[in-house]
Amino acid sequence: DQQVKQNSPSLSVQEGRISILNCDYTNSMFDYFLWYKKYPAEGPTFLISISSIKDKNEDGRFTVFLNKSAKHLSLHIVPSQPGDSAVYFCAATPAWGGAQKLVFGQGTRLTINP
Amino acid sequence: DSGVTQTPKHLITATGQRVTLRCSPRSGDLSVYWYQQSLDQGLQFLIQYYNGEERAKGNILERFSAQQFPDLHSELNLSSLELGDSALYFCASSVGGGPGANVLTFGAGSRLTVL
Repeated sequence: DQQVKQNSPSLSVQEGRISILNCDYTNSMFDYFLWYKKYPAEGPTFLISISSIKDKNEDGRFTVFLNKSAKHLSLHIVPSQPGDSAVYFCAATPAWGGAQKLVFGQGTRLTINP
Repeated sequence: DSGVTQTPKHLITATGQRVTLRCSPRSGDLSVYWYQQSLDQGLQFLIQYYNGEERAKGNILERFSAQQFPDLHSELNLSSLELGDSALYFCASSVGGGPGANVLTFGAGSRLTVL
């Protein structure tokens, strides 16, 4: 049972354009969501998070949107840069859960073309 | 460099064998987590230790075990290896170990290949 799904295994975007990565979840107990970015031969690194009391969180070029009713979140990267090429994982947990309750999606490989 | 060190980076072994993966957490972090990433899968939580004590267990097989030592480094032992155990094994650390400790710092991973 895949509680967190990233339905697009890969995404290709032109440099300077917007990249939109999507994530769906099924467990209504999830109320804290994170995005991690992973480069080859490195571990995932934390990118941005959002609590269910918000519907948007921004950090520079990165914005995460949360639609609780649709159980959907998305990560927007504007403008996309070549260094953004990586695998992006979304993850979710109940607020009381801690990291041991984090459930990760399968990841989306983002390629930014010059 | 994330501050979380994992060794070895790569390991190739045969079915039925036993291996040990090692992790040193980021300085100051008391909690260590182990994750498994099989091909095209998300990271699957295996086990968490906090300050030497087992704190939480995920989908860890009985053939697998882990421990955290007084110096806070951790080892993941995988025995009676099967082809399906081939995966990337990540270690992560955090300062705390309870609710709210959601942001993890990951190591670069140990890639295990079982032939």
